[in-house]
Amino acid sequence: ETGVTQTPRHLVMGMTNKKSLKCEQHLGHNAMYWYKQSAKKPLELMFVYSLEERVENNSVPSRFSPECPNSSHLFLHLHTLQPEDSALYLCASSQVRGIINTEAFFGQGTRLTVV
Amino acid sequence: AQSVTQLGSHVSVSEGALVLLRCNYSSSVPPYLFWYVQYPNQGLQLLLKYTTGATLVKGINGFEAEFKKSETSFHLTKPSAHMSDAAEYFCAVVAAGNKLTFGGGTRVLVKP
Repeated sequence: ETGVTQTPRHLVMGMTNKKSLKCEQHLGHNAMYWYKQSAKKPLELMFVYSLEERVENNSVPSRFSPECPNSSHLFLHLHTLQPEDSALYLCASSQVRGIINTEAFFGQGTRLTVV
Repeated sequence: AQSVTQLGSHVSVSEGALVLLRCNYSSSVPPYLFWYVQYPNQGLQLLLKYTTGATLVKGINGFEAEFKKSETSFHLTKPSAHMSDAAEYFCAVVAAGNKLTFGGGTRVLVKP
């Protein structure tokens, strides 16, 4: 496989459930990202990991918990979500060289529906 | 600081007509600029990018964009629209020391 792969592609969960989204990149990049894309809203950057260290957390509710065990894998753990959390969740990766960030490569996304 | 503004959240074009999507940016240092395309329920796919050198850059699917520093613009064009161009398009900018910043997106509708 090449590129950025996200699983599952679709997820329906109840508000009391716990689930995880998975992202894997095969590009040798050193930075990974979670974005949230809701209808009629701009892309929202949620978390950034660079060299496996979380470098950005944009005021995301604690019911979203990221994990980056290595430079190729990124998870988003979900618990006690709300219906307004229903969205397309996109994972991306890029190569950061010093202060220069290259373009991001995106996965296909996970369409999350909270019922 | 950096920001991106895409003029027009929706654009409607006839098949065979020119596609023009506008993007203006602000950046305190020389930026890298990108256009992405997103089809329904898909991730974002890179169409083209400008880093340095030639200011007119060609991308996939017949799209091109021109970096105009004096106008702080990076408009995307395609001479002849095809039905398969119906999608949402995002302009993005990154400058040294900053993360990738996206515009609000422009949804393109292609009429037969």
